[in-house]
Amino acid sequence: QVQLVESGGGLVKPGGSLRLSCAASGFRFSDYYMAWIRQAPGQGLEWVSHMSSSGSTIHYTESVKGRFTISRDNDKKSLSLQMISLRVEDTAVYYCARSALQRGFDLWGQGTLVTVSS
Amino acid sequence: SYKLTQPPSVSVSPGQTASIACSGDKLGDKYVCWYQQKAGQSPVVVIFEDTKRPSGIPERFSGSNSGNTATLIISGTQAIDEADYYCQAWESSSHVAFGGGTKLTVL
Repeated sequence: QVQLVESGGGLVKPGGSLRLSCAASGFRFSDYYMAWIRQAPGQGLEWVSHMSSSGSTIHYTESVKGRFTISRDNDKKSLSLQMISLRVEDTAVYYCARSALQRGFDLWGQGTLVTVSS
Repeated sequence: SYKLTQPPSVSVSPGQTASIACSGDKLGDKYVCWYQQKAGQSPVVVIFEDTKRPSGIPERFSGSNSGNTATLIISGTQAIDEADYYCQAWESSSHVAFGGGTKLTVL
């Protein structure tokens, strides 16, 4: 079954850390760019980061640079997002998504909720 | 950063045509994708490369992109089409932009 399954979300205090994971199955993971996209409660979609298929190219949205680190393990078919120095405004559902570049994000996980609150 | 602008809401009667606009500087020079997100669900791409439909997306969904505006058109809108719709484009080779989203109401 072609799917992405995120895990690792939860409640964390401002300044804290969290690591999200995304397990891929049913497709050749190593062929695809992968991305993290988030959605704050009641708000729109916001691209966070993406990584090329080999891991050699990485980009982040400005607001998370220096705090978030994306990584992947093609052997384990997994994508991760290490988040440190979390802020209240990082509260959101975080989606793992497969990127087909100009064909769009064609496969999404169910999302994992990160809540940053004291 | 590159900004994509959508109307917050659009209303349409069942069976009529809904149009959702997405504007951005020289957007016609970029490829645009459209996503449908129903309440409590993950987004699904309904249009990619401006005009193309993924397999499984009904023919009533179509798209266009020219100048500074891309448009998602839903012909013969059905109640099941009620959802939030987002446009998306690559700001550059390194960054992705999403529009703010449009809530489509079918009434």
